[in-house]
Amino acid sequence: GENVEQHPSTLSVQEGDSAVIKCTYSDSASNYFPWYKQELGKRPQLIIDIRSNVGEKKDQRIAVTLNKTAKHFSLHITETQPEDSAVYFCAAIPSGGYNKLIFGAGTRLAVHP
Amino acid sequence: GAGVSQSPSNKVTEKGKDVELRCDPISGHTALYWYRQSLGQGLEFLIYFQGNSAPDKSGLPSDRFSAERTGGSVSTLTIQRTQQEDSAVYLCASSAGGGGIYEQYFGPGTRLTVT
Repeated sequence: GENVEQHPSTLSVQEGDSAVIKCTYSDSASNYFPWYKQELGKRPQLIIDIRSNVGEKKDQRIAVTLNKTAKHFSLHITETQPEDSAVYFCAAIPSGGYNKLIFGAGTRLAVHP
Repeated sequence: GAGVSQSPSNKVTEKGKDVELRCDPISGHTALYWYRQSLGQGLEFLIYFQGNSAPDKSGLPSDRFSAERTGGSVSTLTIQRTQQEDSAVYLCASSAGGGGIYEQYFGPGTRLTVT
């Protein structure tokens, strides 16, 4: 079945710097890759997603890139702010038709003022 | 509109007791998912409903876990004879479903503690 690996597990940056989180997946038929942000004690919330027919997607300070050949995708956050501090999860939907999400283990991002 | 809701928000139970966790999806969402998040861990898929049917139960960890959905809406996850390793946050998500890939919206979760 699908396996998603996520790195790094923790990331600490200064306010204004960029942050990059990387994920790899195993199922070459996977075709949807969302990123969720989870603040402490809160529910996961979708921040951006990408489908397999595009290589990059941007939304203000957030971007996601996808390399289907290498089976990896990355989250890029520019001009980080303290409110970006949270745990970020990548996920993939494997082949099989039921749209269940297979998550990476998460990255705890800390943005220091 | 109202998002996904779950109840209770917290549940403390003694080992060996049964528990029921409830999920109210967004109105009109036909797809419903249960996930489990252990302390400091990622989210683990448990079961998927399309309408009242559960075509994918592959994530249920043992036969002590079961779930049902009625009226294409509310779902209940039941854990029988709870064990300490069942302690986790149980999250429910819903999406428009019905073919294609749609965003999954998560509920706030139920934090289960088995003592």
